[in-house]
Amino acid sequence: QKEVEQDPGPLSVPEGAIVSLNCTYSNSAFQYFMWYRQYSRKGPELLMYTYSSGNKEDGRFTAQVDKSSKYISLFIRDSQPSDSATYLCAMSPLSGSARQLTFGSGTQLTVLP
Amino acid sequence: EAQVTQNPRYLITVTGKKLTVTCSQNMNHEYMSWYRQDPGLGLRQIYYSMNVEVTDKGDVPEGYKVSRKEKRNFPLILESPSPNQTSLYFCASSLFGRGADTQYFGPGTRLTVL
Repeated sequence: QKEVEQDPGPLSVPEGAIVSLNCTYSNSAFQYFMWYRQYSRKGPELLMYTYSSGNKEDGRFTAQVDKSSKYISLFIRDSQPSDSATYLCAMSPLSGSARQLTFGSGTQLTVLP
Repeated sequence: EAQVTQNPRYLITVTGKKLTVTCSQNMNHEYMSWYRQDPGLGLRQIYYSMNVEVTDKGDVPEGYKVSRKEKRNFPLILESPSPNQTSLYFCASSLFGRGADTQYFGPGTRLTVL
């Protein structure tokens, strides 16, 4: 079993929809949770990060962490065609090095105009 | 502009022909690493470097070599490429190599080994 599981999709939604992307994990030591966005033919770029549990909001994006369920989510409100990309979750222990950064396999999202 | 650059972006080669993929960052980052990305498997770390002359194996190091002679450069060397090394490769860097540090990725190198 992988340490981080992520539904690969593909996920296709109409413009304006609310999108929910999710990851589950098994390592209870993970404390930093990140979402990276990867456009086609590009490298991943950091979208949001959260520490421990709770929610974090940035514009149309909300990151949510439920450590008791070992479950993290990324919500995209009012989705736009420009949000079409692959979204990767990533996690790290509190005092971990980047060597311990673990990525999900990514969910491919398409927002249809 | 702060960035990580990789060259070449696309490469088709044959089994056994040595190749090098270059990676350079202009952010004075201490930490650099190489990943390969395969469908369904996500990003898997090949090698990483905490600083100049300090390198170590990641999760899938077999068949690869790296060196870190200068802070800004971290080339990936395939001494005898094989078809199972066909993949999308990303170089990444971060300031100090902590798990919470933002990873900055290069644009990727798509390698095909025939």
